[in-house]
Amino acid sequence: EAQVTQNPRYLITVTGKKLTVTCSQNMNHEYMSWYRQDPGLGLRQIYYSMNVEVTDKGDVPEGYKVSRKEKRNFPLILESPSPNQTSLYFCASRRLGTGAYEQYFGPGTRLTVT
Amino acid sequence: GQQLNQSPQSMFIQEGEDVSMNCTSSSIFNTWLWYKQDPGEGPVLLIALYKAGELTSNGRLTAQFGITRKDSFLNISASIPSDVGIYFCAGLVGGGSEKLVFGKGTKLTVNP
Repeated sequence: EAQVTQNPRYLITVTGKKLTVTCSQNMNHEYMSWYRQDPGLGLRQIYYSMNVEVTDKGDVPEGYKVSRKEKRNFPLILESPSPNQTSLYFCASRRLGTGAYEQYFGPGTRLTVT
Repeated sequence: GQQLNQSPQSMFIQEGEDVSMNCTSSSIFNTWLWYKQDPGEGPVLLIALYKAGELTSNGRLTAQFGITRKDSFLNISASIPSDVGIYFCAGLVGGGSEKLVFGKGTKLTVNP
């Protein structure tokens, strides 16, 4: 089954404790992206990657890091989480190219930073 | 940067009614997408529009890509309880950036 998986689905942590949210896709997609979703603000892009070793900032990259060492994986790293990073996070992937805009989303990771 | 204005923000309707929502922007987009997000899940693509003026249907859903390329609408006919959720529009920025810009969503509630 074609899918994007994220782990963990739920995470409660404390300020300053480094954490990683994993994302993996099994569709051989070039493009992967991380979003955060907050009430009233919709989906905002954090980082994206167009291929292995190619990453770039989205609209709200501060406080986050990503890496793309393998095509299928795109982990999101919070080196020193803060309460304002409490949010619902989604990983997404899709092919690149004309007419290839069906973007698949993962199930989401609900993060609470106390 | 590019922004999408999606309206209405929320809708409360009776089962069987038709629904209409839209997205507008001051920017031009090359592609318009409509997603639905069920509670506790990630957004799922409903309809993709690739040409100005294009009208596309998917079952009870119909969406159109505005002629000016700055707007799009989504209609749902004969709503049913499982239509409940948040509907998002998204526009693909051209020029090779591959960036999708999302509207803030329309929350739909359907009363049986």
